[in-house]
Amino acid sequence: AQSVTQLGSHVSVSEGALVLLRCNYSSSVPPYLFWYVQYPNQGLQLLLKYTTGATLVKGINGFEAEFKKSETSFHLTKPSAHMSDAAEYFCAVSDSGSARQLTFGSGTQLTVLP
Amino acid sequence: NAGVTQTPKFQVLKTGQSMTLQCAQDMNHNSMYWYRQDPGMGLRLIYYSASEGTTDKGEVPNGYNVSRLNKREFSLRLESAAPSQTSVYFCASSSWTSGGYNEQFFGPGTRLTVL
Repeated sequence: AQSVTQLGSHVSVSEGALVLLRCNYSSSVPPYLFWYVQYPNQGLQLLLKYTTGATLVKGINGFEAEFKKSETSFHLTKPSAHMSDAAEYFCAVSDSGSARQLTFGSGTQLTVLP
Repeated sequence: NAGVTQTPKFQVLKTGQSMTLQCAQDMNHNSMYWYRQDPGMGLRLIYYSASEGTTDKGEVPNGYNVSRLNKREFSLRLESAAPSQTSVYFCASSSWTSGGYNEQFFGPGTRLTVL
């Protein structure tokens, strides 16, 4: 069974400050890992994904994440927060079954302060 | 392309009423999914359909049924709604890629309140 833990249900940063959202996973097989973003009253949008290869993954809107197998982590970062980054962020892990089910973390609400 | 569409966007039901949530995708995806989203719990999988003609239970299937009508459409039915089913429901779809991973595309959601 796979699981995802997101540390911190709410994170606040000042505009221009570093954004760090934490995600740890457990999986019995090499994982596929994802970060999704959800803006208010909208569906989920893919930010970035790790499948194989390079462990530092770059996504949209200046976000990136690093896959660290030894730490079973896939933390999301952005060097400089923008007001438009305020949203809820979900980390997810995919299994290797036929339907490639996603297991989501509980989400982190990011607030950006002016 | 519209992507993944869901109807209705909002719905209020009384306890015991039934309804069907509709989902359609125009990306020729093989797999489709229904999730529910509750505060502090992320998204939980209700049912999924790996391919046309197949459906399987996810993490929280009780109280729901699904129909994969064709490759495009995947509906979710509440036979006798309960207040515990008040939630936001998301449909998603995905296809196989050469890389073997599963990028899911999500609809805008249906906000359901059961009184």
